[in-house]
Amino acid sequence: EADIYQTPRYLVIGTGKKITLECSQTMGHDKMYWYQQDPGMELHLIHYSYGVNSTEKGDLSSESTVSRIRTEHFPLTLESARPSHTSQYLCASSESTRLGSQYFGPGTRLTVT
Amino acid sequence: QKEVEQDPGPLSVPEGAIVSLNCTYSNSAFQYFMWYRQYSRKGPELLMYTYSSGNKEDGRFTAQVDKSSKYISLFIRDSQPSDSATYLCAMRRASGGSYIPTFGRGTSLIVHP
Repeated sequence: EADIYQTPRYLVIGTGKKITLECSQTMGHDKMYWYQQDPGMELHLIHYSYGVNSTEKGDLSSESTVSRIRTEHFPLTLESARPSHTSQYLCASSESTRLGSQYFGPGTRLTVT
Repeated sequence: QKEVEQDPGPLSVPEGAIVSLNCTYSNSAFQYFMWYRQYSRKGPELLMYTYSSGNKEDGRFTAQVDKSSKYISLFIRDSQPSDSATYLCAMRRASGGSYIPTFGRGTSLIVHP
């Protein structure tokens, strides 16, 4: 079983609040990712990182930011939450090998009222 | 046209049935093919991982890749109610890209007793 953790698992907040979704992995993986997933829809890549101090934006336009100060930690921050941010957020990590497959955390279900 | 197409279902089968889940894709550069299983309110977990064409078997699960037709399948034999979940296909390049997989939208499978 993959050791990747996300907190909180569920979050309900009001519009305009700043929030940080936490993601940590204990596998020593260099690569980490954030995805957004709505029911019945594809995973949409929001941000990714290939290592410490490396971050890139994904395919989905997002008002979020990420940081990668430590290998094991990849937090996602929303400066001002809006109802359109209501979704499931999935964190993943992978090895830096050619066959490196992704391991996913349990997800954070965010509701912005 | 999306790079990866997957029928969202739901697919409902009786216990013990053979299940066939499929994806088609348009990018001939894809070389690695993956199947993930996602239970409700959980993150996806990797089930099968294949490279290029051919079959791969793991217990009750068989992954099949037909690169000439750009078509991949996951077969589940002797399906069980515990197999009820959403199954996502994913695929990526072997080189010349970011190695980040492209996901299908998932097929919801219901196995009823």
